[in-house]
Amino acid sequence: DSGVTQTPKHLITATGQRVTLRCSPRSGDLSVYWYQQSLDQGLQFLIQYYNGEERAKGNILERFSAQQFPDLHSELNLSSLELGDSALYFCASSVGGTGGSVQYFGPGTRLTVT
Amino acid sequence: QQQVKQSPQSLIVQKGGIPIINCAYENTAFDYFPWYQQFPGKGPALLIAIRPDVSEKKEGRFTISFNKSAKQFSLHIMDSQPGDSATYFCAASSYYGGSQGNLIFGKGTKLSVKP
Repeated sequence: DSGVTQTPKHLITATGQRVTLRCSPRSGDLSVYWYQQSLDQGLQFLIQYYNGEERAKGNILERFSAQQFPDLHSELNLSSLELGDSALYFCASSVGGTGGSVQYFGPGTRLTVT
Repeated sequence: QQQVKQSPQSLIVQKGGIPIINCAYENTAFDYFPWYQQFPGKGPALLIAIRPDVSEKKEGRFTISFNKSAKQFSLHIMDSQPGDSATYFCAASSYYGGSQGNLIFGKGTKLSVKP
């Protein structure tokens, strides 16, 4: 168990809908990362927050947004969902916010868009 | 271009064999190279990592070899066991952050170790 929790574990929704994925980092970790994992694209970095501030952006679509709250938990919002958004979404956390910080991954949320 | 190329896509070895997974990168700003292990239904977990000041690092049965001039690094699993069956991802980043501070992952290698 990495200490990172994600809810829900599974999510099934229809195209055009909006969903929110939630992540609680390990105790003491200030940085939260979101990744999308699909069979053809592998693990794609979406966005990073450090102590409430956006630190870096990756291949995140404009339909997607995230935030980190004062208690350091984070939410990833996915809107106007398309079939291609079906994937595993992972949250990771680390103490520091730099590239050499060890990232601990949560168990993921499997999103299915029908 | 920020890319990490990983091969092979899948690998089957017998118990006791030494699977080797290779990765290559292009961006010379990368100076941190971790390997992650992922079991089905779980998130990736850090296995071992290396920085370019050494050419090899061992942790238990896992060894990373690093060739800075060729911009390549590889994972060797000694005396592989069925419990090592998992998907392995290499990654790269700039250790102290900056514009390359985020992990760029390879596409993964699915390893199966037969008893």
